[in-house]
Amino acid sequence: DQQVKQNSPSLSVQEGRISILNCDYTNSMFDYFLWYKKYPAEGPTFLISISSIKDKNEDGRFTVFLNKSAKHLSLHIVPSQPGDSAVYFCAAHLPPGKLIFGQGTTLQVKP
Amino acid sequence: GAGVSQTPSNKVTEKGKYVELRCDPISGHTALYWYRQSLGQGPEFLIYFQGTGAADDSGLPNDRFFAVRPEGSVSTLKIQRTERGDSAVYLCASSLGGNTIYFGEGSWLTVV
Repeated sequence: DQQVKQNSPSLSVQEGRISILNCDYTNSMFDYFLWYKKYPAEGPTFLISISSIKDKNEDGRFTVFLNKSAKHLSLHIVPSQPGDSAVYFCAAHLPPGKLIFGQGTTLQVKP
Repeated sequence: GAGVSQTPSNKVTEKGKYVELRCDPISGHTALYWYRQSLGQGPEFLIYFQGTGAADDSGLPNDRFFAVRPEGSVSTLKIQRTERGDSAVYLCASSLGGNTIYFGEGSWLTVV
C-alpha cells in the first residue's frame, strides 16, 4: 500500500524555466510534508517542509503547495539551475515520528 | 562535524554474519530515525527513537534487526545472520522534534 506516490519517475527542464514536481498521498493523518533532494552516493538533503494546516510555503527558489482536498502537493523550483539536477523525494510525516517517502523523481536541468 | 554522522560508510559482509551500523545524530537532537533504501526506491522507515526509547519500531522487517540508543544520543543498528536481501543503504536521521529531519550520508551494506 503506497501511501505517498510520485507518479513521474523523471522530469527534464531547461535552465531558467520552472520545475514542478508532484506528489500524491492517501492518508489524512499526515501532519506535515517534506521535500528532499538526493545526489548519488549521498544522503537526502532537506529542502523545504509544509504543515498540513498551510497551503503554501516558500524559501528562495523553492515553493511547496499543498492541496488537502486533493491530497496533492507540489514543489516548484524557479528558476531551475543545472545544479538542481538530482532525485527529489516527497515525504509525509505520520505522528509520532514516521516519515513515509515516495519513490522519487529524477530531475534533469539542461543548460 | 555538525551533521548526522554514520559509520562505516561502506560495509561488505558475508551471508550469515553479524553487522553493526552506527549513527551519531546532530548534537542535542532528541529524535533519531533509521531508514533503509534500496536501489530505485524511496527510503523505507525502520525505527524511531525519542530519547532512549524506541517510540515506533514497526518498520523493522524481522527479529534479525535490532536497534539501541542507550544514552539518548548515539544509536546502533544491529543485523544478525545477514542475508543478501539486506543489501541496501541504511540511513540515519535526527531532529529536534520539529518538522525538519536531517539525514546522514548513509551506510552502504553489501551482503555477499
